[in-house]
Amino acid sequence: QVQLQESGPGLVKPSQTLSLTCTVSGGSISTDNYYWSWIRQHPGTGLEWIGYIYYSGSTYYNPSLKSRVAISLDTSKNQFSLNLSSVTAADTAVYYCARETTTFVHFDSWGQGTLVTVSS
Amino acid sequence: QSALTQPPSASGSPGQSVTISCTGTSSDVGGYNYVSWYQQHPGKAPKVMIYEVSKRPSGVPDRFSGSKSGNTASLTVSGLQAEDEADYYCSSYAGSNTFVFGGGTKLTVL
Repeated sequence: QVQLQESGPGLVKPSQTLSLTCTVSGGSISTDNYYWSWIRQHPGTGLEWIGYIYYSGSTYYNPSLKSRVAISLDTSKNQFSLNLSSVTAADTAVYYCARETTTFVHFDSWGQGTLVTVSS
Repeated sequence: QSALTQPPSASGSPGQSVTISCTGTSSDVGGYNYVSWYQQHPGKAPKVMIYEVSKRPSGVPDRFSGSKSGNTASLTVSGLQAEDEADYYCSSYAGSNTFVFGGGTKLTVL
């Protein structure tokens, strides 16, 4: 049973870069069966897909965030990471990492989520 | 790429059926059979209930069913139970390796 766990600072200052890591256990991220995703949820609102990365390193991003987002892999640690630059209060959200299946095209496993607040 | 449209709320009494709609465009819901539905209880991570419009993952009760017509997908919960009270989100593949979610529907079991 795969498990995903987000980690990173809970508070980021405006204009700085938000950095989060997702550690995957119970399965390897070096597989062609899945994309490794980041999804966020603003307080009290819906979900927003941020982007994902394939084991090959190929990345795909939400067009509305593309200019500020970078997702990377560290296969040696079985982790993948999110960097979101030039953050503002509008980036305050719960950030989830999730696994998306290439075959059935849905998010089948999720981390518990981590709240990131952007404030000075 | 705009969010899919869901009603903000839905409700039903125990044992009844309720249907939640999810409206998109021909570029997402209408263009692909890759609509999925997620259940989220307060403070918890979302859990997939339906994928590929109408398929249920192992362990999801058959009271949950999905369908699609044109640009609108639907989730039906039959035989409502207290534990079904949660937020429900639809999601669709939107082409070019991108996804879009709905705004969510709060389901209340009366």
